Amino acid sequence: QQQVKQSPQSLIVQKGGISIINCAYENTAFDYFPWYQQFPGKGPALLIAIRPDVSEKKEGRFTISFNKSAKQFSLHIMDSQPGDSATYFCAAVHSGYALNFGKGTSLLVTP
Amino acid sequence: KAGVTQTPRYLIKTRGQQVTLSCSPISGHRSVSWYQQTPGQGLQFLFEYFSETQRNKGNFPGRFSGRQFSNSRSEMNVSTLELGDSALYLCASSLAPGTSGSEQFFGPGTRLTVL
Repeated sequence: QQQVKQSPQSLIVQKGGISIINCAYENTAFDYFPWYQQFPGKGPALLIAIRPDVSEKKEGRFTISFNKSAKQFSLHIMDSQPGDSATYFCAAVHSGYALNFGKGTSLLVTP
Repeated sequence: KAGVTQTPRYLIKTRGQQVTLSCSPISGHRSVSWYQQTPGQGLQFLFEYFSETQRNKGNFPGRFSGRQFSNSRSEMNVSTLELGDSALYLCASSLAPGTSGSEQFFGPGTRLTVL
């Protein structure tokens, strides 16, 4: 049973555009929501994370928007670059236990 | 600081065999988690070890097992391999469990192919 639903499955964005990836969850016990970036042949790497008491967190070109009442959160990549082409996973955790991952979004940023 | 290392990086086995994968966490990290990554199911949690004790376990059959040593290094074992066990097995380490926000650092994974 997938505890975190992620969309879209794939995304193509032009260089300089905004990439938006959405995730939804049901378990209100989740208290930490990280995003991971994975390049081919590599393990996932933490990109940015948010807690449910904050509605938005920005780090450079990456922003997480969090809607607690809707149980949804999203990743926005501003000024997308070809180097951002990777697979992105949202995840949710409660009480420091296992990461529950979404199924991933394959992002391609075209020149 | 060296990252999480996993050995071997690639492995080919046949059905019915067993396999052992190894993970060395980042120095000072005492918690090790294992995940299975497949195109169909994505990233799924296998188990987590802390201080040589299994702290948490995912929904996988008993053929999947693991252990952690006193130096925090961990191994996972899969017995009686099935074709569906073909996957990328990822190890992640963190300073300690039980704290949301304790970042997990992933290794590059071991690519297991079962023929």
